[in-house]
Parts: sequence; C-alpha cells; structure tokens
Amino acid sequence: KQEVTQIPAALSVPEGENLVLNCSFTDSAIYNLQWFRQDPGKGLTSLLLIQSSQREQTSGRLNASLDKSSGRSTLYIAASQPGDSATYLCAVDSGGGADGLTFGKGTHLIIQP
Amino acid sequence: KAGVTQTPRYLIKTRGQQVTLSCSPISGHRSVSWYQQTPGQGLQFLFEYFSETQRNKGNFPGRFSGRQFSNSRSEMNVSTLELGDSALYLCASSLAGTSMYEQYFGPGTRLTVT
Repeated sequence: KQEVTQIPAALSVPEGENLVLNCSFTDSAIYNLQWFRQDPGKGLTSLLLIQSSQREQTSGRLNASLDKSSGRSTLYIAASQPGDSATYLCAVDSGGGADGLTFGKGTHLIIQP
Repeated sequence: KAGVTQTPRYLIKTRGQQVTLSCSPISGHRSVSWYQQTPGQGLQFLFEYFSETQRNKGNFPGRFSGRQFSNSRSEMNVSTLELGDSALYLCASSLAGTSMYEQYFGPGTRLTVT
C-alpha cells in the first residue's frame, strides 16, 4: 500500500527566503506526482505535475523534482512571499488515473512579512 | 473556462439522515474523483468515475456511493450519517482519467453531522 510522507509538517520563514519542502513515497511504481496548495477552508490548487519519466518541472518561482528510484520529491520555492502561506500537499498516482491519488498530510507554510 | 463547481458549499445534517453532494467538472473533462478530507486522516480517496462507470473505490463503507451522468456531472450520496462523516468533501476532474492529466479540484462541500 502506497504511503506518502511530508516533512516538515510545519515551517515558518521570513519573507524572501528560498525554501524546500520534502515528500517521500514508499512504492516507486508511480505514474506521476502532483504538488498542490490549499488555503484555509478551500479546495486544492494544482501547482505542478511531474510524470514518472520526468525529473523536474518548473512554474514561475516553483520548481519540483522527482527521484522515483529513491521515492522522493522536493518542491523548491524561490524568493518566498507572504502570499505563499498555505498548506502544500504532494500526491502520487499509483494506479494510472483510476485509483485516485494518495496524499501526504501536507506542510503548513507560513511566510513572515 | 469555469473550474470545478460543487454544491452545496456547506451542509449541516443530523445523525441517521442521508445527504447528496453534487460536482460539475470542468467542461470537456470526463473523469471525476471524490475525496474526503478530515484533520485526522487527511485526504482519502472515495471513488472515481469515468464515462459513467465507477472504476475504483477507496476503503469506505457501502454507505458511501456515487454516480456519474452522461454530461459528466457526478453526485455522491452518504446514507445513515454518522458523526465521523463530518468532513470536507472534495471532487476533482481530469480530462481523460489517465495519469497523463492533472487533476483539478473544486472548492469542496463542508459537511457537519450533529
């Protein structure tokens, strides 16, 4: 059974810092990995999707990497801003789209102005 | 293009009642998945529908059911509500229900069972 772990569970940093969020998964047989952000009481916003054949994806200040063999992904946020404060979730697709995503518990990020 | 919409946004029900939640996917998307989010368990997969067929179901009791219509809209039903069913219910849509495509989530329905 796939399990996804995110470390740290919470993180508070001053504005402007570069930071890394970590995600690990137990079964390397994945189809893709997706990073989301969730604002309090809201739904999920998709940030980046990395297919199993890819090593990384970039969108603006965000860069996500995937090392399938070691079961790890990182989300790098450059020049953090207060608006980046949210819970960041990673999720893996182990079933080719039909079995749903397996989510980590998330990293609660606070960017101090 | 409109995003995923869910109705109602908030719901309060009493133990033993039943509830129906609705999800309208992004136009053109044919796959809809449902998730339950609670503080203790996080996000857990309920079921996935593609072209009106349920392809898989997560580890939830039979009180949880769903369906998908020909226009891809989906509903989920929970019968005989229990206090532990209080949660944020999220639906997600994707273009074709394969791993090639991102999943886009709606704002959720907050269900409170008293």
